[in-house]
Amino acid sequence: GNSVTQMEGPVTLSEEAFLTINCTYTATGYPSLFWYVQYPGEGLQLLLKATKADDKGSNKGFEATYRKETTSFHLEKGSVQVSDSAVYFCALSLNSGYSTLTFGKGTMLLVSP
Amino acid sequence: EPEVTQTPSHQVTQMGQEVILRCVPISNHLYFYWYRQILGQKVEFLVSFYNNEISEKSEIFDDQFSVERPDGSNFTLKIRSTKLEDSAMYFCASSGDDNEKLFFGSGTQLSVL
Repeated sequence: GNSVTQMEGPVTLSEEAFLTINCTYTATGYPSLFWYVQYPGEGLQLLLKATKADDKGSNKGFEATYRKETTSFHLEKGSVQVSDSAVYFCALSLNSGYSTLTFGKGTMLLVSP
Repeated sequence: EPEVTQTPSHQVTQMGQEVILRCVPISNHLYFYWYRQILGQKVEFLVSFYNNEISEKSEIFDDQFSVERPDGSNFTLKIRSTKLEDSAMYFCASSGDDNEKLFFGSGTQLSVL
């Protein structure tokens, strides 16, 4: 079946530190890959996506590269801010036409000043 | 920016009772979804809805669950006879032409006692 595995949280960093949140996947086809972010009290928001191997998704300073050879889609940011504190979800979709997403458990990021 | 609205934000009910969770998707969207997250577990797909019918559903979405779009704006999830294990955060989502970009509501926390 399809599944997504993310590193356990919380991840605690100081402002301006480098962030990596690991994500690996198992899929029966060629998925699209996503990172969603959930800020406190809000819904999940699409942060970035990549639809094929070697694509790099980027948004708000965050990046993730679709690595087919390692089945990974790790999220990175060079310098985090306090406002980046949120829960980050890695997800995949097999483009069934109705965009059914398979999510990871989510990783909480806490950034302190 | 348009958003998906869910009500109520918290719902407490007794086991065996019926609950209806309400969602107002973004107005020009065509695809609608329900997901849920049991505390400490992954966000799980429940059901997708398009053109006034269910397009896909997961194993979780058994006969106790139903969805409805009663008018042009609301999208509801009904649980006919709640169980303790239905306690979770329920997320509604919608998408438009870019079917891979889902917009999520902030969720309804359902507690079954």
